[in-house]
Amino acid sequence: KAGVTQTPRYLIKTRGQQVTLSCSPISGHRSVSWYQQTPGQGLQFLFEYFSETQRNKGNFPGRFSGRQFSNSRSEMNVSTLELGDSALYLCASSLRASGNYNEQFFGPGTRLTVL
Amino acid sequence: AQSVTQLGSHVSVSEGALVLLRCNYSSSVPPYLFWYVQYPNQGLQLLLKYTTGATLVKGINGFEAEFKKSETSFHLTKPSAHMSDAAEYFCAVTYPGGNNRLAFGKGNQVVVIP
Repeated sequence: KAGVTQTPRYLIKTRGQQVTLSCSPISGHRSVSWYQQTPGQGLQFLFEYFSETQRNKGNFPGRFSGRQFSNSRSEMNVSTLELGDSALYLCASSLRASGNYNEQFFGPGTRLTVL
Repeated sequence: AQSVTQLGSHVSVSEGALVLLRCNYSSSVPPYLFWYVQYPNQGLQLLLKYTTGATLVKGINGFEAEFKKSETSFHLTKPSAHMSDAAEYFCAVTYPGGNNRLAFGKGNQVVVIP
């Protein structure tokens, strides 16, 4: 079974631009979560989607948004990029959104560099 | 709010020596606890987890961890370090019956000295 895939793997943007990152979960998984990883702040939760609905949101500004499609694929968008948005963005998928333990499987991440 | 503390961002260990990475959590309810490993330019891989039951859990690559409720700890150990253990290790917490949101510690960068 294929793992979580994220595209693109690397991106370079300039300040003020916007960017869209894509995540395809493991087949059959319906929950997708996004995390931002930076050297200073570590791993921080961005948001989670299940059945095309945002279920949970972390403490990030409104410039960060996301969506999920009917096939469970998810995209996240960052508008008006700032230098501080440079990070590794990780996507994780799991079978369900709640209940008992749901193992999350992480993708390789998208490395975003903002110049 | 749940939180995780990992002390010592960089940990050096000699090949063949004990690997010990400390994790303490803050929680008002019994948590689910995880250790993840991250190799360069890769995502996170689950090493082991504690949800319920036996407090000593064994994971992949010879790692194990023990949940100690009285100490609010979930330290990761491996008896004998291998060069391939050089990576970054993260402790994480979430809660049963809740959502999938993970709260991570700052991580430990492990360097194995030959």
